[in-house]
Amino acid sequence: KQEVTQIPAALSVPEGENLVLNCSFTDSAIYNLQWFRQDPGKGLTSLLLIQSSQREQTSGRLNASLDKSSGRSTLYIAASQPGDSATYLCAAHGLTGNQFYFGTGTSLTVIP
Amino acid sequence: KAGVTQTPRYLIKTRGQQVTLSCSPISGHRSVSWYQQTPGQGLQFLFEYFSETQRNKGNFPGRFSGRQFSNSRSEMNVSTLELGDSALYLCASSLALRGGIDEQFFGPGTRLTVL
Repeated sequence: KQEVTQIPAALSVPEGENLVLNCSFTDSAIYNLQWFRQDPGKGLTSLLLIQSSQREQTSGRLNASLDKSSGRSTLYIAASQPGDSATYLCAAHGLTGNQFYFGTGTSLTVIP
Repeated sequence: KAGVTQTPRYLIKTRGQQVTLSCSPISGHRSVSWYQQTPGQGLQFLFEYFSETQRNKGNFPGRFSGRQFSNSRSEMNVSTLELGDSALYLCASSLALRGGIDEQFFGPGTRLTVL
């Protein structure tokens, strides 16, 4: 069964700092990996999707990379802002069963 | 294009009751998945429906069931509610393209509280 882990569980940084969130998965047989943002009590907002054939995707200040062979993905946030404060989740889309496996998330706080 | 909508947004029930939650996917999306989110267990997959058929199921008891209608709208039902069923229930829709290039879009969720 696919296991997805996110480290660290919580992160607090001053505004303007660049940061990296980590996601690891145990089964490299995936279709894609998707990063989400969740604000307290809300649903998930899709940030980036990386197909299994891709190495990275970029959207604005966000850059996500994927290394299937090592079972790792990173989300890089440049020039962090207080509005980036949220929980960030990664999800691996398994080849079997069309199921997404979620990590437990990284709670990010950006201090003004 | 309207996003994924879920109704109701909040629900309070008592133990032993049953509940039905509704999800309307993005127009054109054929796959609907349901997830349970709790502080202790995180996001756990319940089931996925595609073309009115349950295509995949997570590890939840039979009290949890669902269905999908011809217009892709989906409902989830939980019978004989237990205190541990209190959670945020999230619905996600996707185009279900071949090859797995399948970005999921989530609704705002239904917050269920069981007393």
